[in-house]
Order: sequence, then structure tokens, then C-alpha cells
Amino acid sequence: KQEVTQIPAALSVPEGENLVLNCSFTDSAIYNLQWFRQDPGKGLTSLLLIQSSQREQTSGRLNASLDKSSGRSTLYIAASQPGDSATYLCAFANEGYNKLIFGAGTRLAVHP
Amino acid sequence: ETGVTQTPRHLVMGMTNKKSLKCEQHLGHNAMYWYKQSAKKPLELMFVYSLEERVENNSVPSRFSPECPNSSHLFLHLHTLQPEDSALYLCASSQVSYRDTGELFFGEGSRLTVL
Repeated sequence: KQEVTQIPAALSVPEGENLVLNCSFTDSAIYNLQWFRQDPGKGLTSLLLIQSSQREQTSGRLNASLDKSSGRSTLYIAASQPGDSATYLCAFANEGYNKLIFGAGTRLAVHP
Repeated sequence: ETGVTQTPRHLVMGMTNKKSLKCEQHLGHNAMYWYKQSAKKPLELMFVYSLEERVENNSVPSRFSPECPNSSHLFLHLHTLQPEDSALYLCASSQVSYRDTGELFFGEGSRLTVL
């Protein structure tokens, strides 16, 4: 069974800290891996997508890495801000119709 | 309108009602998806449509009936639901081809409560 595990499940930090969110997946034959952000009661916002041939992607204060051989991805958030408070979801897609398999998410709270 | 829009945003229905959720994408994508998000559980894929053909039905009960009349619209028809079907239903779209990244774009979701 294909699974995605995200650690930690919840994280509370003071503003300004650099953060690392971890994601591990069971299937090394991935097509791509996406990181999403979800605010309470809202839909998902795509943050970063890493193709299977890539090792990392960067957008502003966010950097995501992918290690297919070990089945891991990491989302690095630099200089965290209260506006970063949300649930962060990791998902990978198999070859084919891009069926994303999601993790349960990391709930992040950044306090002033 | 831009992106993926879902209506209604909130829906309360009894177990004997029939209702529908609507999704529309304005991104020119060729694939659309329904996902279910229940409390304390990861998102679950329900249905996938590619080029208006259903290519995935993830063992979803028949009381959920999808419809994709064209590449921009997706419906989820609801009939005789159970209280445990209460959840956030998310629609998404992507461009599936060898040239595209396959990035998924989601709507804001329809919050369904079954009484």
C-alpha cells in the first residue's frame, strides 16, 4: 500500500525560526512530489512541485528537496512568520494519471 | 473567474436528499479530480477524469455519482448519504501530458454536512 508519512504532526515555534518539515513515501517510482499549504476550512494552495528528475525547488523563503532513493522530501521554511501558520501537506504522484497520494500533514503555528 | 471554483461552499443535507456539488476550472486543463477530506484523515482520491473519461474510481460507494460533461466542468451527485460522509470535498485539475509537470490546482472545497 502506498503511504506518505509526515513528521512532525504539529509544530509550534516563535517567529524568525528556520523550520524543517519532513515527508517520507513508500514508492520510489514517483512522477512528481508536491508540497501544499492549507489554511483552516480552505482548499489547498500549491507551494512547490519537484519533478522526479529534480533534486530541489525554491520559491522565496521555501525550499523543497527530493531524495527518491531514500523516499524522502524536506520542506525548509526560512525566517518563519506568523502568516506561515497553516497545515502543510506533502503528496506524491505515480506515473500515469497523476493520482496524488497525500500525507496527513504538519500543522504549523508560528507565534509572534 | 480564475483557477478552480467550487459551489456551493457549504451544504447541509438530510440522508434522503439529492444534491450536487459543482466544480469549474478556468485553467485549460485536461484532467479533473474529486478528493474527500475527513477530519483527522489524509485526503482521499475519489474520482479522476482525463479528457472527460473516468479513469479512476477509488472504490467509492455508489451514493456518490460523478459527472464530467466537458473538460472544464465536474459534478458530484449526492444521493442517500450517511452522516459519516460529512467532509470537505475538494475538486482539483491538472494538465496531464508528457510535457507538463502535472501540477495539481485545487478549489476552495465544498463543506458537506449530512444530518
